[in-house]
Amino acid sequence: QVQLVESGGDLVKPGGSLRLSCAASGFTFSEHYMSWMRQAPGKGLEWVSYISLGGDTIFYADSVKGRFTTSRDNAKNSLSLEMNSLRVEDTAVYYCARGLSWGQGTLVTVSS
Amino acid sequence: DIQMTQSPSSLSASVGQRVTITCRASQDISIYLAWFQQKPGKAPKSLIYAADSLQDGVPSKFSGSGSGTDFTLTINNLQPEDLATYYCQQYNTYPWTFGPGTRVEFK
Repeated sequence: QVQLVESGGDLVKPGGSLRLSCAASGFTFSEHYMSWMRQAPGKGLEWVSYISLGGDTIFYADSVKGRFTTSRDNAKNSLSLEMNSLRVEDTAVYYCARGLSWGQGTLVTVSS
Repeated sequence: DIQMTQSPSSLSASVGQRVTITCRASQDISIYLAWFQQKPGKAPKSLIYAADSLQDGVPSKFSGSGSGTDFTLTINNLQPEDLATYYCQQYNTYPWTFGPGTRVEFK
C-alpha cells in the first residue's frame, strides 16, 4: 500500500533554513505527481507545492513562492522541500501527498 | 484563487443520526472535489474524490454529491469514531484550496 514518511522537521529560528524529505514506497513513484501540504497548529489545511512526474513543472503557493523549493529524486523514491527565509507563520505540520493520500507529517517550528 | 466555504462550521449530533455538510466553491470546479476526515492528532484521510466516489476502504456510510459549485458530504448512522473535522478540497485549479472545516461533535 502507499506509504509516505516525512522527516526533517525541527525547531528553527526566523530567517533560518530547513530541508524536509519524504520517503515513498508501495507504488511506482515516478508515475505520480506529488505535493506538499501544511497545517498550522489549530488551523486548517493549506496546499504548499506541486511537482510533476519528472520534476519539470513545479507550482508553489504565493505564501512560500521564492523561499521554498520542491524537488524529487525518482531513482531514490524521494521528495524534498527546501525551506529558506523561514517565518514564524511557516510553523506547521508539513505533509507529503500522492494525489489525495497523505503521509503522517513532520512538525516545523519557527521561533526565536 | 478559488475560495471554498463550508457550513456549518461545527455541529453537534447524536449517535445514529445522519449529518450533512455543505461545501461551496467560488467558481465552477466540475467534480474535482474531495472530502477529508481529520481526527484529533492525526493526518487527514481522504474519504471521497471526484465529488461522489468513495475511496477504497471507506465505509459506505459516507457519501458525497454535487457538481459545479455546490457539494455535500453525508454521514449516515453517526458513530463515536466519526468524531472529527471534515474538510472539502478543490483540485480543479492550482492553487488547490480547502474549506475551513466542519467539526463534528456529539451531544
